[in-house]
Amino acid sequence: SQQGEEDPQALSIQEGENATMNCSYKTSINNLQWYRQNSGRGLVHLILIRSNEREKHSGRLRVTLDTSKKSSSLLITASRAADTASYFCATGGMNYGGSQGNLIFGKGTKLSVKP
Amino acid sequence: NAGVTQTPKFQVLKTGQSMTLQCAQDMNHNSMYWYRQDPGMGLRLIYYSASEGTTDKGEVPNGYNVSRLNKREFSLRLESAAPSQTSVYFCASSETSRGRETQYFGPGTRLLVL
Repeated sequence: SQQGEEDPQALSIQEGENATMNCSYKTSINNLQWYRQNSGRGLVHLILIRSNEREKHSGRLRVTLDTSKKSSSLLITASRAADTASYFCATGGMNYGGSQGNLIFGKGTKLSVKP
Repeated sequence: NAGVTQTPKFQVLKTGQSMTLQCAQDMNHNSMYWYRQDPGMGLRLIYYSASEGTTDKGEVPNGYNVSRLNKREFSLRLESAAPSQTSVYFCASSETSRGRETQYFGPGTRLLVL
């Protein structure tokens, strides 16, 4: 069962613009992570934000977490063509059924950055 | 360090055939995972191994078996492949399985079952 759900499903922007992706989830979490997947490749971890944090930065990435609304956003500033990829949120740290707190991934946002 | 490696990269099977997907990590991680990724479905956990010598079912375990051969290696076996198992399979590893650390992914195995 999906825990996180990204919005929008697809996003197309011009190079230099900012890209914002959102993730909503259903149950309590210990942390929320964002991953990037380039076409035909494995997922790469971008950033982890813990449930007691509200905002985190890493280079051009800014992640916010609102546990009262059960939502997170990923902002990529000054986007580049190389940012074209799918972005997934993953929630973890609590016991989901029998999965002992493993990460649960959303369906992803497909970002296209045009030169 | 190679990180997480998977073999093969691509495989075509006929319905009913069997095969084993191999995964190895060189980061001394305790936990390893097998996911499948289907269009529009995100990643779904098939099986995981919290530590050497243990394995547990994930969200979609039917039709699969796993073996944690040692701390480095975690294999996924399809005993009798079905077209519904056409997918991209990813192996991942992390320090523990508590869902509180980064997972590191392999490059994936694309499987087509005819």
